[in-house]
Amino acid sequence: GAGVSQSPRYKVAKRGQDVALRCDPISGHVSLFWYQQALGQGPEFLTYFQNEAQLDKSGLPSDRFFAERPEGSVSTLKIQRTQQEDSAVYLCASSLGRDQPQHFGDGTRLSIL
Amino acid sequence: AQSVTQPDIHITVSEGASLELRCNYSYGATPYLFWYVQSPGQGLQLLLKYFSGDTLVQGIKGFEAEFKRSQSSFNLRKPSVHWSDAAEYFCAVGGETDKLIFGTGTRLQVFP
Repeated sequence: GAGVSQSPRYKVAKRGQDVALRCDPISGHVSLFWYQQALGQGPEFLTYFQNEAQLDKSGLPSDRFFAERPEGSVSTLKIQRTQQEDSAVYLCASSLGRDQPQHFGDGTRLSIL
Repeated sequence: AQSVTQPDIHITVSEGASLELRCNYSYGATPYLFWYVQSPGQGLQLLLKYFSGDTLVQGIKGFEAEFKRSQSSFNLRKPSVHWSDAAEYFCAVGGETDKLIFGTGTRLQVFP
C-alpha cells in the first residue's frame, strides 16, 4: 500500500480483556517497529522486527505484551489482561532497513476502562 | 544514557515569523537525527533527517535543521511560518540499533 496501515484506529476495552492491534507495513519494508505514545509524551520504543525475526523487545513493558510478524509482513501487537495504564496510542513504523528512515502509521488509540 | 531533550513544551509564533525549535541529544556513538511532525489524531511525518555529511539539512515544507556536534544539538528552523505548520514536533535520535528515542515534543501554535 501507499503507507503504513494500522487497525483498528480506536479500541475501547474493559480492564482485564485481551486486545490485538494490527499493522500493515509498506510493501517491501524489511524493518517494523512498534512504539507506545502516552498522552502528551513522545513515542517510546516497544519492539523491532527484521523480516519475521524479533530482534529487540527490550521496550515491552511487561510479559502481558506480545508481538509477532510470522510471515515478515503484517504484524500484530497483543496485550493480555489489559490494565488502565495500557491506555495510549500505539504506533507502528516500517523502513526499508538499516539506516533508512521510519515511516509511521496513524496509530491505534487504545482506551482501557 | 541515550536521551533527547526538547526544552520548549509550547511555542507560539505569529504567521510569517521565523521559527526555531530546540533539540539536544545524548548518544554514545555517531547519531542519526530526525525531526517528525504530528498533527492531532495522526501519525508522525518525517520532516528531515541527518545521517552524515553536510551538517545543514533541508527537509520538506521549507524546514531545515543544523547538526552541531560540539553542542549536541539539532535545532529545527523555518524562516517564515504558515498557519498550517501548527502541530506537535518531535526530535528523535537513532543509531545502529535502529530504534528511535524521541523527545517529549514541542507544540507549535501559530497566530494570524
